[in-house]
Amino acid sequence: DAKTTQPNSMESNEEEPVHLPCNHSTISGTDYIHWYRQLPSQGPEYVIHGLTSNVNNRMASLAIAEDRKSSTLILHRATLRDAAVYYCILRDKGNTPLVFGKGTRLSVIA
Amino acid sequence: ETGVTQSPTHLIKTRGQQVTLRCSSQSGHNTVSWYQQALGQGPQFIFQYYREEENGRGNFPPRFSGLQFPNYSSELNVNALELDDSALYLCASSTGQGFYSPLHFGNGTRLTVT
Repeated sequence: DAKTTQPNSMESNEEEPVHLPCNHSTISGTDYIHWYRQLPSQGPEYVIHGLTSNVNNRMASLAIAEDRKSSTLILHRATLRDAAVYYCILRDKGNTPLVFGKGTRLSVIA
Repeated sequence: ETGVTQSPTHLIKTRGQQVTLRCSSQSGHNTVSWYQQALGQGPQFIFQYYREEENGRGNFPPRFSGLQFPNYSSELNVNALELDDSALYLCASSTGQGFYSPLHFGNGTRLTVT
């Protein structure tokens, strides 16, 4: 499986934008970039996914580099509720299982 | 819509015993997968069921087994429990349709083996 590299932890102030980076230099042409997050004492939660173009939804935006070797999850205004571990995952098309790394632990300061 | 529910939420077992964990999938979802999450680690894929048949398995020994029922609820069974089996066990369901479907996770069962 193609692997991703994320910082272990990041910190943000409440109501500020947060940019969570992910490197995936061995990504293949059919790999989609997915983001899940896991709030304390909960299961992971789907955030967003994309292939080549930048994507927006109600939770976040995903910016994908032109060469697809890196991507950034953007939370436009961090809230205390966004404190979680964020996982960047590559997934081939099809109903394949998710391969989680250790993710980035995001702390949000009031 | 009803989300993914798991039972029990917590469980304590003794080494060598057997355990059954249960999962009720989200309505309309015909694919269920199970993950093991050790403390401080990301979840690890155990296996997946689609329409009652196992169609994918991670690097887990045969003492980890599962079932999916016609109503798409599911069980994870672990025999001959070992101390290292202590973890959070997560169930996730999806529609299994098309080229991609996001996984919807339950909040897990915390298993402690003593």
